[in-house]
Amino acid sequence: GAVVSQHPSWVICKSGTSVKIECRSLDFQATTMFWYRQFPKQSLMLMATSNEGSKATYEQGVEKDKFLINHASLTLSTLTVTSAHPEDSSFYICSARDQGAGGRYEQYFGPGTRLTVT
Amino acid sequence: ILNVEQSPQSLHVQEGDSTNFTCSFPSSNFYALHWYRWETAKSPEALFVMTLNGDEKKKGRISATLNTKEGYSYLYIKGSQPEDSATYLCAKDAGNMLTFGGGTRLMVKP
Repeated sequence: GAVVSQHPSWVICKSGTSVKIECRSLDFQATTMFWYRQFPKQSLMLMATSNEGSKATYEQGVEKDKFLINHASLTLSTLTVTSAHPEDSSFYICSARDQGAGGRYEQYFGPGTRLTVT
Repeated sequence: ILNVEQSPQSLHVQEGDSTNFTCSFPSSNFYALHWYRWETAKSPEALFVMTLNGDEKKKGRISATLNTKEGYSYLYIKGSQPEDSATYLCAKDAGNMLTFGGGTRLMVKP
């Protein structure tokens, strides 16, 4: 299947700083990428949908000024957590959609990024 | 059903037992139903994508069925092994996004 990479895989930062997470589709072009967050003991929560060349669509309750998403190319989307606070500590996963054979979409996940804000 | 719901939330079985769990979802705006095997802090591993009512998919000891009219899917594991221990997520695909259920956490005791 297709490969999606994320970088970094884990990051520790101080409160008040900003952190950028990259998501890349390595062997396909993804017009749509998704960013998820996982709270402890909970399922994946969709934060935003990122479309190449346009503004991201944020889910209700997600602060767009705090979680900046840029999808500048068909293979790269970035999530920047601005002015991070300890409550932003979480596991962030990106996902990219690939149109496979027969027009059916497949969605592939990156390995995730563990963010710890101290 | 307004959201994607999975039951049970957790399940403990003995090695060798067969088990199954349920994913319920709104039947409107249905494009596909995905099943994932997920170990926390790792990337979800895709198991099945099902689109047609009555679909049945199988991969080794794991199989799944789909009923789009009534909005449910079953995942079956035959002869559970300790390595099957994980959270199994289902997600309804409305064509433009996935909505995940809360997952069923399976623990298989040797």
